[in-house]
Amino acid sequence: GQQLNQSPQSMFIQEGEDVSMNCTSSSIFNTWLWYKQDPGEGPVLLIALYKAGELTSNGRLTAQFGITRKDSFLNISASIPSDVGIYFCAGRRDNTDKLIFGTGTRLQVFP
Amino acid sequence: DSGVTQTPKHLITATGQRVTLRCSPRSGDLSVYWYQQSLDQGLQFLIHYYNGEERAKGNILERFSAQQFPDLHSELNLSSLELGDSALYFCASSVRSATNEKLFFGSGTQLSVL
Repeated sequence: GQQLNQSPQSMFIQEGEDVSMNCTSSSIFNTWLWYKQDPGEGPVLLIALYKAGELTSNGRLTAQFGITRKDSFLNISASIPSDVGIYFCAGRRDNTDKLIFGTGTRLQVFP
Repeated sequence: DSGVTQTPKHLITATGQRVTLRCSPRSGDLSVYWYQQSLDQGLQFLIHYYNGEERAKGNILERFSAQQFPDLHSELNLSSLELGDSALYFCASSVRSATNEKLFFGSGTQLSVL
């Protein structure tokens, strides 16, 4: 099935560092969502974006809906150990209610 | 806690068998979605139900079927199981089927086919 391309695939960073990851598609999307999945758990919604160019924050997390509507970015500032997990982007195209998920970015934070 | 309940949490079975996974959506949510997540893979959309009716199908095998009952809970039936069916199966719910709705996920059912 179709998936969105996320990069990087994995990140190993030190506590306190900032993190950036992105999600790209060959198709235009009208909704972008970012989820975090902890081991053995279901994905939890972090941020939802509905408009091209939109920039939305949730605590130390900031996400942007790309101007081309074919990409989205997630930044985490001042990372902490509990940020560890897999981050998934998800997008929804016009006239469909199927949410397509990215391949995931696995984040590891070292103290 | 997302409010979406999935049972069982773990399921171990043999090839050729049939299993049923159950999902109770959040109170008030009419839409239920099923996703499959294989090892180190993203989430693959299987099927979507809205208020008891099938709305969309993804890459769901013919051996798999689902339904949503009048009380809005849903069941995913997997039959003639194969080793490759081992995966995490997630259910998600949302208020209604609309292009800007957010999905809330359950904790998943880990299926192991031996």
